[in-house]
Amino acid sequence: DAKTTQPNSMESNEEEPVHLPCNHSTISGTDYIHWYRQLPSQGPEYVIHGLTSNVNNRMASLAIAEDRKSSTLILHRATLRDAAVYYCILRENYGQNFVFGPGTRLSVLP
Amino acid sequence: DAGVTQSPTHLIKTRGQQVTLRCSPKSGHDTVSWYQQALGQGPQFIFQYYEEEERQRGNFPDRFSGHQFPNYSSELNVNALLLGDSALYLCASYGRPGNTIYFGEGSWLTVV
Repeated sequence: DAKTTQPNSMESNEEEPVHLPCNHSTISGTDYIHWYRQLPSQGPEYVIHGLTSNVNNRMASLAIAEDRKSSTLILHRATLRDAAVYYCILRENYGQNFVFGPGTRLSVLP
Repeated sequence: DAGVTQSPTHLIKTRGQQVTLRCSPKSGHDTVSWYQQALGQGPQFIFQYYEEEERQRGNFPDRFSGHQFPNYSSELNVNALLLGDSALYLCASYGRPGNTIYFGEGSWLTVV
């Protein structure tokens, strides 16, 4: 079973920030937090990952709670192309495979 | 630099038939995993291949088998197809452990 819980769906307006939450209360010290997204009719695409500190890249930011039991993926300015299913996944250090949950379906309104 | 490529993109099979799906990993990657994604659900891990051997396996029956070739490409075979095998089959690859895992676009299998 997936070790993360996410809302089934969220909605955002175009060009506004989006905060996608994820709970992972049973996270272990060696689990990395990974986010992938899946656009319609495509395979999952890497977004960002982190261990303890907040992380930023060109796609998004990842805010990790101090106790690491939750995290938030932040899209700073949502575009229509960001409409996708977003998966929050725990990956054991050097773990080789993912256990996916159902993810959060993000809709972006023009 | 080509990413993970899969073929065919779509196919239709009849119950009881056998199917082979193919995957070429991203350049420089030597480990390949296969996932099954039913409509509306997240991908489910089938198995992983490294050094031409199955290293890990998810909760899938023996009807699902695979192979990895010396060039690191891989095949997924499914025998005695059932209607419930209709899904998107994803291939993923990575190089060194801990590195980012990349997914292909998938092969859509419909069993009628």
